[in-house]
Amino acid sequence: AQSVTQLGSHVSVSEGALVLLRCNYSSSVPPYLFWYVQYPNQGLQLLLKYTTGATLVKGINGFEAEFKKSETSFHLTKPSAHMSDAAEYFCAVRTQGGSEKLVFGKGTKLTVNP
Amino acid sequence: DSGVTQTPKHLITATGQRVTLRCSPRSGDLSVYWYQQSLDQGLQFLIHYYNGEERAKGNILERFSAQQFPDLHSELNLSSLELGDSALYFCASSVAWINSPLHFGNGTRLTVT
Repeated sequence: AQSVTQLGSHVSVSEGALVLLRCNYSSSVPPYLFWYVQYPNQGLQLLLKYTTGATLVKGINGFEAEFKKSETSFHLTKPSAHMSDAAEYFCAVRTQGGSEKLVFGKGTKLTVNP
Repeated sequence: DSGVTQTPKHLITATGQRVTLRCSPRSGDLSVYWYQQSLDQGLQFLIHYYNGEERAKGNILERFSAQQFPDLHSELNLSSLELGDSALYFCASSVAWINSPLHFGNGTRLTVT
């Protein structure tokens, strides 16, 4: 069965600093990987996805993630944090034969300090 | 706006009661998923319907049931409610392809008192 581990339930950065949110997955078959963002009192919004092809994936709001098969990782980065990036971020995996559901990590809450 | 509509936004009810949560998927999406989000359990998959048929069950209690209607909207029924059922319940929809993302509604916040 597939699973996702997000390292760090809370990450705090200064405005303008690099954002790095870590995600490792476990899957016996090629995974499809996603990052979602959840703002307070809202639903989950898709940031980006990796399916096949280019391993560096660009998403909305300046975020990007790199799929590294050898490290089973899909870390999310943004070069310069904005105050508006403060939210909770979820990494998720979906695989063929996994009943097609998305399996989520426990989330990382990002705080951006002025 | 994801295109997925959930009603109601908030629901407050007492223990032992029954409630129904409703979801309208994005136009053209045949798959509907239900998730429960709580502080201690995170995002837990409950159930998946595809074009009216149940496809997969996750951590769904026997007191909970769901269905997807011919017009593709879905309802999640929660009965004999307990305090621990208080959570955010999300509906998501997607097209059939495994590499497609799920699109989430804004959720229904259920409070059981």
